[in-house]
Amino acid sequence: DAGVIQSPRHEVTEMGQEVTLRCKPISGHNSLFWYRQTMMRGLELLIYFNNNVPIDDSGMPEDRFSAKMPNASFSTLKIQPSEPRDSAVYFCATTEYYGYTFGSGTRLTVV
Amino acid sequence: AQSVSQHNHHVILSEAASLELGCNYSYGGTVNLFWYVQYPGQHLQLLLKYFSGDPLVKGIKGFEAEFIKSKFSFNLRKPSVQWSDTAEYFCAVNAIGNNDMRFGAGTRLTVKP
Repeated sequence: DAGVIQSPRHEVTEMGQEVTLRCKPISGHNSLFWYRQTMMRGLELLIYFNNNVPIDDSGMPEDRFSAKMPNASFSTLKIQPSEPRDSAVYFCATTEYYGYTFGSGTRLTVV
Repeated sequence: AQSVSQHNHHVILSEAASLELGCNYSYGGTVNLFWYVQYPGQHLQLLLKYFSGDPLVKGIKGFEAEFIKSKFSFNLRKPSVQWSDTAEYFCAVNAIGNNDMRFGAGTRLTVKP
């Protein structure tokens, strides 16, 4: 089992550009979560899906952020347009019942 | 909704010292409890979890945690820390029937050699 796979590992982009982060969950895990981690705010839940359906997106900071899960094996988190304050590490986590498995994260830097 | 408080922001210990990191949660119903560890530059990894049964749970690398229901606490302990335990530790809780997990703010542990 390859675990939760996130890509890219690092992303540096200019302010105003669109950024797309990707996550491939563990096969059979029916829930997927997107978290953002910063020094100031710690781990923040952005959105989560159950069986590909978005359940709670109240953590999504602004309309610039959107997430999709078109099928059970793939999810994206998109930021358009990106801003410097979006710089953070974005983690994807998946679970079958209880207890998450985290991906290695995407470190996003917006300059 | 459930929430989690970790009392210590940064703990500094010498090797072989004993460790206890506090964690309290607020939720009126039944919960599952977790401790995760994040080594520098890495992702979160599960240390241990409590679902039911014996309130003293043992995890990897010599860590253990005790669930005290009356105090809504789930403190993490290790009798003798090592330099390699330097990391950030997160307590997390999710309500039974809801796999939306809430994390504490984390406690950074620095172990001096």
